[in-house]
Amino acid sequence: GQSLEQPSEVTAVEGAIVQINCTYQTSGFYGLSWYQQHDGGAPTFLSYNGLDGLEETGRFSSFLSRSDSYGYLLLQELQMKDSASYFCAYPGAGSYQLTFGKGTKLSVIP
Amino acid sequence: DGGITQSPKYLFRKEGQNVTLSCEQNLNHDAMYWYRQDPGQGLRLIYYSQIVNDFQKGDIAEGYSVSREKKESFPLTVTSAQKNPTAFYLCASKEGSYNEQFFGPGTRLTVL
Repeated sequence: GQSLEQPSEVTAVEGAIVQINCTYQTSGFYGLSWYQQHDGGAPTFLSYNGLDGLEETGRFSSFLSRSDSYGYLLLQELQMKDSASYFCAYPGAGSYQLTFGKGTKLSVIP
Repeated sequence: DGGITQSPKYLFRKEGQNVTLSCEQNLNHDAMYWYRQDPGQGLRLIYYSQIVNDFQKGDIAEGYSVSREKKESFPLTVTSAQKNPTAFYLCASKEGSYNEQFFGPGTRLTVL
């Protein structure tokens, strides 16, 4: 079957670094995306990894290892506004469908 | 400003009634999607449409119906056959082969 596994909750201190892991199982793999969603809000796209390695966008980085079926989102210099849920997701064939993980709720504390 | 609008933000219905959720986009995207979100469940795909007058079932299509008569509009009807319709419903769109999906603000449906 197809699935993504990520921790349900993570807590980190303001100014610190946090890593949110995502492991997946799928018969066909076309890359891994990350989305951020604040409580009651709409998900917003953060990053996409189509190939192995690290993609950096400001304070956020995303990593993919296809041989390990594993990726992670790295958030640096945490700010209170980073408190949100983070979802990993992968597209199906043709990239039209997305399958989402259940999300990781990040709480940033002072 | 380009974007996706969903209305209303909150919707209440009595059990047994059909209800239609609106989704409009002015991004000129071909593909549109409907997701359902329950606490702790992430986003689950209900239906999606790649082009006008065409749509496909997602993972949880039972009890739902859609239409795609115009490129900018993709309404979702929650029918009385949906056993547990209370949820947060999100509409999204995407351009071609790009990976980013753009989401609307969502409609929170409560069935009493």
